[in-house]
Amino acid sequence: SAVISQKPSRDICQRGTSLTIQCQVDSQVTMMFWYRQQPGQSLTLIATANQGSEATYESGFVIDKFPISRPNLTFSTLTVSNMSPEDSSIYLCSVVGSGVAFFGQGTRLTVV
Amino acid sequence: QKEVEQNSGPLSVPEGAIASLNCTYSDRGSQSFFWYRQYSGKSPELIMFIYSNGDKEDGRFTAQLNKASQYVSLLIRDSQPSDSATYLCAVSSASKIIFGSGTRLSIRP
Repeated sequence: SAVISQKPSRDICQRGTSLTIQCQVDSQVTMMFWYRQQPGQSLTLIATANQGSEATYESGFVIDKFPISRPNLTFSTLTVSNMSPEDSSIYLCSVVGSGVAFFGQGTRLTVV
Repeated sequence: QKEVEQNSGPLSVPEGAIASLNCTYSDRGSQSFFWYRQYSGKSPELIMFIYSNGDKEDGRFTAQLNKASQYVSLLIRDSQPSDSATYLCAVSSASKIIFGSGTRLSIRP
């Protein structure tokens, strides 16, 4: 299984600002995934981060709001832009190894 | 129709009994099926995966898959208080993994 380090683990941010979340994997992976888990809800896929190409966004998520970088095969960032209280959520980085999804410890974001 | 559906619960089961968790999915082309456990405030952790029709057992856990009915289940035998958590069903479809809304399981002493 992959070891995934995600930071920050939590943050409290002012509305209108942006936060960048980092995800580091201990092995090279082709695709990395970013999920959001709102309070009491399940995981919703935001986008798939591909190395060397633009991220693929799911319905309801746009690049202007959630820009993603993937500079190499072990690292990705997700930025939550122009935040509002509705963005308060847990954001999870994930990779797939042998067909199984593994997760970072998550970033708990509170927007005030 | 949601791609992966689960009963949200809560499901309350007495300690030592069998807990049965169910999941249906919409994409007939799905190949891989997973059960994750998530404790409050923690990330999901994989319990089991299953690819073929039938049963797969691992300790107290049994996953069951019926592709014709598009149905996956998880049985937990001899339920323990530590099994109290939210259980997420997940399905691999088109190179991504889609999660159900989760079932909250509570094991009462």
